[in-house]
Amino acid sequence: GAVVSQHPSWVICKSGTSVKIECRSLDFQATTMFWYRQFPKQSLMLMATSNEGSKATYEQGVEKDKFLINHASLTLSTLTVTSAHPEDSSFYICSAREALGGYTFGSGTRLTVV
Amino acid sequence: GESVGLHLPTLSVQEGDNSIINCAYSNSASDYFIWYKQESGKGPQFIIDIRSNMDKRQGQRVTVLLNKTVKHLSLQIAATQPGDSAVYFCAETYTGGFKTIFGAGTRLFVKA
Repeated sequence: GAVVSQHPSWVICKSGTSVKIECRSLDFQATTMFWYRQFPKQSLMLMATSNEGSKATYEQGVEKDKFLINHASLTLSTLTVTSAHPEDSSFYICSAREALGGYTFGSGTRLTVV
Repeated sequence: GESVGLHLPTLSVQEGDNSIINCAYSNSASDYFIWYKQESGKGPQFIIDIRSNMDKRQGQRVTVLLNKTVKHLSLQIAATQPGDSAVYFCAETYTGGFKTIFGAGTRLFVKA
């Protein structure tokens, strides 16, 4: 089946630094990828929709200058958390939409900002 | 705004019993629904999906029921096992927008 690889699985960074998270579709091309954020014991909240070759579409309340998304190829989307602060600590998850309409999720990235 | 929600935040069942997890959605235009299972520290795992032109779909030990009249779907797990313990999310997808919006989640506990 379709596989989405997300890297890193966890990261600890200092406040004020930037962190990049990668999401790769390994055996299919994904024209559309999605980035979610999940706080403990809560549901996944959609942050943005990433389209290959174009600007990402951000959900209301998500700062596009804070969460930079790049979808440079059909198999890779990246999320960069810029000038991270402790309140950005969360579980970030990507998903990729397959050509036939299915969605596959990455394994998530646990970000801790200290 | 549009939302997908769950009636029960937690569900505890005895091993071997059947489990039923419910979900309500509010957008009558949604035409694709998915159930996901999420274990601690992991990403959501696809369980089963259903399109709006169907009212029932069966998988291995799982069945999804869709009632468009009352905007309700449910996930039935037969002969629940300890490995089924997880958080279950229903999700709603909008045609055209392709976004998947998640419900609040239900934690399933399976007692041995």
